[in-house]
Amino acid sequence: RKEVEQDPGPFNVPEGATVAFNCTYSNSASQSFFWYRQDCRKEPKLLMSVYSSGNEDGRFTAQLNRASQYISLLIRDSKLSDSATYLCVEDTGRRALTFGSGTRLQVQP
Amino acid sequence: NAGVTQTPKFQVLKTGQSMTLQCAQDMNHNSMYWYRQDPGMGLRLIYYSASEGTTDKGEVPNGYNVSRLNKREFSLRLESAAPSQTSVYFCASRPTGRSITDTQYFGPGTRLTVL
Repeated sequence: RKEVEQDPGPFNVPEGATVAFNCTYSNSASQSFFWYRQDCRKEPKLLMSVYSSGNEDGRFTAQLNRASQYISLLIRDSKLSDSATYLCVEDTGRRALTFGSGTRLQVQP
Repeated sequence: NAGVTQTPKFQVLKTGQSMTLQCAQDMNHNSMYWYRQDPGMGLRLIYYSASEGTTDKGEVPNGYNVSRLNKREFSLRLESAAPSQTSVYFCASRPTGRSITDTQYFGPGTRLTVL
């Protein structure tokens, strides 16, 4: 079983919509999680960190549910520029962060 | 601050040729990493270096070697390139990996094609 699992999508949503992605993780001892954004053929870039129950930054909200071992990313008022792949990342305390395969979002005009 | 830099940006090799991918960071980070990313797939860890002078295998180390030349630089070498090594290679660095706030910062990638 993969350590971090994400729905690959694509999620096709109209501009202005609210969209949410979930990600499940397997290590109950993990302390922190991150959401990265990756544009086509570019490097992943940090979007948000999630340490406790959640984090909000403008239109983006990340939440952590330790009981069910998942984190979520909510994007409100979607923009065309939000089109990208969103990577869910777990810090298990081991050698490197564990990356999910990503969820692709396409925001349409 | 340039962050994490990688050279070259693009490279085409013939099967059996060797090359070294260069990575440098100017953020004084202790840990550095090499990943590969294939189309439609996630990042796979090749090698990492927790600190200067140490290197360890990741999940896909076969066919690669690394050198942590100093705190700034971490290179990846392909001794005898194979078509299966066609991929995008990302280098990353991280302050220490011991704080829950630490995260990884990526370079722009090297796009390698092996014919």
